Amino acid sequence: EADIYQTPRYLVIGTGKKITLECSQTMGHDKMYWYQQDPGMELHLIHYSYGVNSTEKGDLSSESTVSRIRTEHFPLTLESARPSHTSQYLCASSDRGLGNSPLHFGNGTRLTVT
Amino acid sequence: AQTVTQSQPEMSVQEAETVTLSCTYDTSESDYYLFWYKQPPSRQMILVIRQEAYKQQNATENRFSVNFQKAAKSFSLKISDSQLGDAAMYFCAYRSARTGGFKTIFGAGTRLFVKA
Repeated sequence: EADIYQTPRYLVIGTGKKITLECSQTMGHDKMYWYQQDPGMELHLIHYSYGVNSTEKGDLSSESTVSRIRTEHFPLTLESARPSHTSQYLCASSDRGLGNSPLHFGNGTRLTVT
Repeated sequence: AQTVTQSQPEMSVQEAETVTLSCTYDTSESDYYLFWYKQPPSRQMILVIRQEAYKQQNATENRFSVNFQKAAKSFSLKISDSQLGDAAMYFCAYRSARTGGFKTIFGAGTRLFVKA
């Protein structure tokens, strides 16, 4: 049973549309992350947050933006979707303090931009 | 920069047999954490096992164990008594103890097939 929830699970959208991928967690974790993963490939960190009002860009350049107004909520927004944004987006969280705290993942959003 | 390499894109194992997935990493740091994650088809990615670099003893979780060779920078995963439910993508991951725990670096993954 997932403690971290992503919606929608699948999204097909036309080029130029604005979209927001939702991510919420009920574990009270301070750290949250967005990863981009092409099917069967490695994960690339695109955004992360240490806590409320803290957001940083990850290693992979992304045209998306994130916000962290509440501890439990970490939405990702694409202002103008393009076919190159087609991918799977995974949200994750981890407990603060302990370096060996694992990442807890949501089920992912599979985005297709036509 | 740290890197994680999984040299086996795919592996196959017979049910009830044992399989070992390879992982090597590159780092100049001495303190870090290593993880194996499992991603079943269309399902949530979950932690399989983790290892602290300062611990010499290999981690074990039921049928899953690791062979951690710090000098060789090797971190292989052994799955004993393989089950059909073990079929998944397996990702090896590295996290520096220095970076406050935000940056986990993943390998490209190994797809494991389990034959009945």
